[in-house]
Amino acid sequence: QVQLQQWGAGLLKPSETLSLTCAVYGGSFSGYYWSWIRQSPGKGLEWIGEINHTGSTKYNPSLRSRVTISVDTSKDQFSLNVRSVIAADTAIYYCARGRELFGEVAPFHPWGQGTLVTVSS
Amino acid sequence: DTLMTQSPSSLSASVGDRVTITCRASQAISSYLAWYQQKPGKVPNLLIYAASTLQSGVPSRFSGSGSGTEFILTISSLQPEDVATYSCQSYISAPWTFGQGTKVEIK
Repeated sequence: QVQLQQWGAGLLKPSETLSLTCAVYGGSFSGYYWSWIRQSPGKGLEWIGEINHTGSTKYNPSLRSRVTISVDTSKDQFSLNVRSVIAADTAIYYCARGRELFGEVAPFHPWGQGTLVTVSS
Repeated sequence: DTLMTQSPSSLSASVGDRVTITCRASQAISSYLAWYQQKPGKVPNLLIYAASTLQSGVPSRFSGSGSGTEFILTISSLQPEDVATYSCQSYISAPWTFGQGTKVEIK
């Protein structure tokens, strides 16, 4: 059974860089796309971007200018960087498995445990 | 981008009540619609995919229907453990988008 475990810094100052990593255990890493999703306080879920094992990425246009998602296939891990964070980037950040590499589109399942990131001076 | 709009934003119902939540897409998404359940302080959990297919382990009191632009999540008999926020998601094409969520409480 696939499990996702994520970690990273939880408190940042404005203008710093948010960095999170998600490790995938117990399943095929190369066979799927892997996403980052966030949930701001009291708001809905927002997809940030995705990556596959080749490093091919897609980003949400709303965040593309500040976001980089990278992959480390030797460790079955993928990472999120968000540059120049502001208070509005305060959210719970989740990693999640998305669609199969060569299959139909699919919803997100499973998800990581979430990381609360707070941006405050 | 496909804008997903849910209604209502919150509801309060009694145990045993039938509950329905509506999700509307700004453009036709066929049946590429998922529902997630997020209990307080917990991770979103996939409930239904392909508009009407229950994820393994989901109680049969949950059902989904619809296609195109209008979708419905139904809880046939609300239980205390169903207190949660329910969110719909379009997965027809990136950027993948979610509704704003519907908070379900017990009256």
